This record gives sequence, structure tokens and C-alpha cells, in this order.
Amino acid sequence: AQSVTQPDIHITVSEGASLELRCNYSYGATPYLFWYVQSPGQGLQLLLKYFSGDTLVQGIKGFEAEFKRSQSSFNLRKPSVHWSDAAEYFCAVGLFSGGYNKLIFGAGTRLAVHP
Amino acid sequence: DAGITQSPRHKVTETGTPVTLRCHQTENHRYMYWYRQDPGHGLRLIHYSYGVKDTDKGEVSDGYSVSRSKTEDFLLTLESATSSQTSVYFCAIGTDMNTEAFFGQGTRLTVV
Repeated sequence: AQSVTQPDIHITVSEGASLELRCNYSYGATPYLFWYVQSPGQGLQLLLKYFSGDTLVQGIKGFEAEFKRSQSSFNLRKPSVHWSDAAEYFCAVGLFSGGYNKLIFGAGTRLAVHP
Repeated sequence: DAGITQSPRHKVTETGTPVTLRCHQTENHRYMYWYRQDPGHGLRLIHYSYGVKDTDKGEVSDGYSVSRSKTEDFLLTLESATSSQTSVYFCAIGTDMNTEAFFGQGTRLTVV
């Protein structure tokens, strides 16, 4: 079955430090890949997406992600974290299954930022 | 946000009562989705629609039904609410072009 795994439930980093959030997926083909961010009490905002082509994709708010086919991974990175980045981050896989589009999410990683 | 409105935004209801949540879009997107969000589970797909009167089950559809009589509206109904259905419910919309989805602000439902 298709699945998305985010191994880290909580991560804490200091402001200014680098960040990497992990995401692995299980799917027979290369799916569409997404990272969403959710601030407390808010809906989900798309950070970035990968469909094809260059495996390093840039997103909003200074985030980037790298698709590695051999590892079935799509890890999110940011070189210098700001306090406003504290939020929950979700990796998602877009599937064309049964003839229709679906979006399957990981369990999320909650990021805390220390001053 | 894309033109997605969820109503109500908050609701408290009693066990055994029916509840309907509404999702309204102004984007004319083909796909509409209902997810529930629970700690430790991320977002799980309840039902989705790929057109008017065309719906299908997601991974956690038990206890829920949906209807889509117009392109812009997607209703989620809990026929007899249970405490396990206390959650935050998100509606999302998408197009044919790819599987990207745009989310509403969510509905917090508490079943007491």
C-alpha cells in the first residue's frame, strides 16, 4: 500500500541553525511530492512541490527539498531557521490511483525553534 | 487561500446526533476532498469527489457519508456522531492537471 513516513515527530532547533525534515514514501512509481506547513490554528499552506525534472526544488520562505529516487525520499531543508518557522510540517504524496487523483499525508513533524 | 469556505468553523454536538459539514469553493475545481486531522496521524482522507455526484471512499470512511450535487459544494455527514469523530476536518480542492490540493481553514468538531 502507498504510504508516507515522517520519522521525526518533534524536532527542536535553535534560531539560525540549519534544518532538515525527513520524508520517505512507498509507491511503485515516482509520485508527485509536496511539503505543506501548518501554523497553529491554521489550514495547510503549500511550501513546495516536485513533479519532475530538477530534483532540487525551491519553495517559499527559504525552504528547499531534494528528491532522491534511490532512497524514496523527499527531505525538506532550510539553511537558517527563523522563530516564525515554528509550525507543523507535512510531507504528502500525490497519487493517480484508480483513475483519480489523491493526496496522502505523513503524520507530520512538529518544529520548535529556540531563541 | 484559494476560494474555499468551510462551515461551520466550530461545532459541539452530542453523541448520536447527525452532523453535516459544508465545503464551498469558488474555483470550479473538479476534485474535492475531506480529511480529518488527529495528533500523530497527520491528515487522513475520508472521502473525495471527482465530479458532481461522483464520490469515492478514502482510508477512514466508516461512519461518514458525502454528497456533491453541485460543483461548488461538497457535504460531509456524520449520520450518528461518536466521540471518536472528534477531530479537525479539512476540505481541500484540486484540479485535473496534477494532485496538488488547496485547503480550507478547517472545522473543529467536538462530540460530547
